[in-house]
Amino acid sequence: GEDVEQSLFLSVREGDSSVINCTYTDSSSTYLYWYKQEPGAGLQLLTYIFSNMDMKQDQRLTVLLNKKDKHLSLRIADTQTGDSAIYFCAEKGSGTYKYIFGTGTRLKVLA
Amino acid sequence: NAGVMQNPRHLVRRRGQEARLRCSPMKGHSHVYWYRQLPEEGLKFMVYLQKENIIDESGMPKERFSAEFPKEGPSILRIQQVVRGDSAAYFCASSPGQGALGEQYFGPGTRLTVT
Repeated sequence: GEDVEQSLFLSVREGDSSVINCTYTDSSSTYLYWYKQEPGAGLQLLTYIFSNMDMKQDQRLTVLLNKKDKHLSLRIADTQTGDSAIYFCAEKGSGTYKYIFGTGTRLKVLA
Repeated sequence: NAGVMQNPRHLVRRRGQEARLRCSPMKGHSHVYWYRQLPEEGLKFMVYLQKENIIDESGMPKERFSAEFPKEGPSILRIQQVVRGDSAAYFCASSPGQGALGEQYFGPGTRLTVT
């Protein structure tokens, strides 16, 4: 079945880079997303990547996709305390509306 | 353009009561999706609705849960005779259609606590 896995916790120092990893099992995934959830809030779409891409950069965010290994990562450069949140990766196949979410990685940024 | 709106944001119910969660999609969006987030877990798909139609309810528990999206008004997720295990955050998302990206825009969620 479809499954998306993430490590549960990551702690980094302010100013360092954060790398959040995600693995998925559905080889038909077409779209892969990163969402941010701050405490008590909903999900904010940070970025997404199509499965025919290897990399996407958007300001401080870099998404890397290794389709062969079904591995997705989100790198946040110059991590700030405001980046402390839970980060979810999600995948969706073409022609389907169901998002499959990972369990989320709780990022803690230390001042 | 207001985003997806959900109310109430927090809801406390005693075991056995009914919970009604409301979702108003973004303007121009006719597709609504409900997800449930249990503590320390990711979001799990529950149901997909278009106006007056349930398209896919494969993620809904078979009993006590129902959803609707009437021609007028918000989408409603209804949980009858709530139990402690229903305590979770319930998120609604909307989209204008499946389109090429099919991006769903999420509301802030309703946090249901069953005491």
